[in-house]
Amino acid sequence: GIQVEQSPPDLILQEGANSTLRCNFSDSVNNLQWFHQNPWGQLINLFYIPSGTKQNGRLSATTVATERYSLLYISSSQTTDSGVYFCAVEILTGGGNKLTFGTGTQLKVEL
Amino acid sequence: DVKVTQSSRYLVKRTGEKVFLECVQDMDHENMFWYRQDPGLGLRLIYFSYDVKMKEKGDIPEGYSVSREKKERFSLILESASTNQTSMYLCASSQQGPVYEQYFGPGTRLTVT
Repeated sequence: GIQVEQSPPDLILQEGANSTLRCNFSDSVNNLQWFHQNPWGQLINLFYIPSGTKQNGRLSATTVATERYSLLYISSSQTTDSGVYFCAVEILTGGGNKLTFGTGTQLKVEL
Repeated sequence: DVKVTQSSRYLVKRTGEKVFLECVQDMDHENMFWYRQDPGLGLRLIYFSYDVKMKEKGDIPEGYSVSREKKERFSLILESASTNQTSMYLCASSQQGPVYEQYFGPGTRLTVT
């Protein structure tokens, strides 16, 4: 099956710093999602991005499908950005879609 | 906004018990999914459903079954719970295209003792 690797596995930032999280995948995909899992376990949708660049406030994402990677940029980080960031690649199968997740990047933002 | 709810946030069961985890979505989504999340392993797909009364195995279906009698509801069943099924269980739903973005519920943390 498809392999999804995220880096770095852990990241500690000072508030206000910028960061880049990376997601590599081993095969062609239909789409890609980025999620933030908050400390209570809820997965929050960040981006649904098959290719190109999208921005939402301090966050932006870029997917280069031909080179099989995606990047999530966090600018001016805040303590509320702490949590685990997952990328998940979408494969179409039968009548719908399946997501394969990476193992995540654990981010801690300190004052 | 899409809302996906799960029947319990925390659940403690004994080995051998039959366990039901329920998920309800309010956006008329065709697709529904059950995942489990374990430290270091990310989220892994257990079962999914593209329509009422329809189910397909995911990557780790062993020890689980599912039921989808109504479009909005998808149940995960542990016929005889075991300690290795202690985990966080997450439900998700999505449209049947062209956009397949998945939306997740808050999760159920199940402990089997």
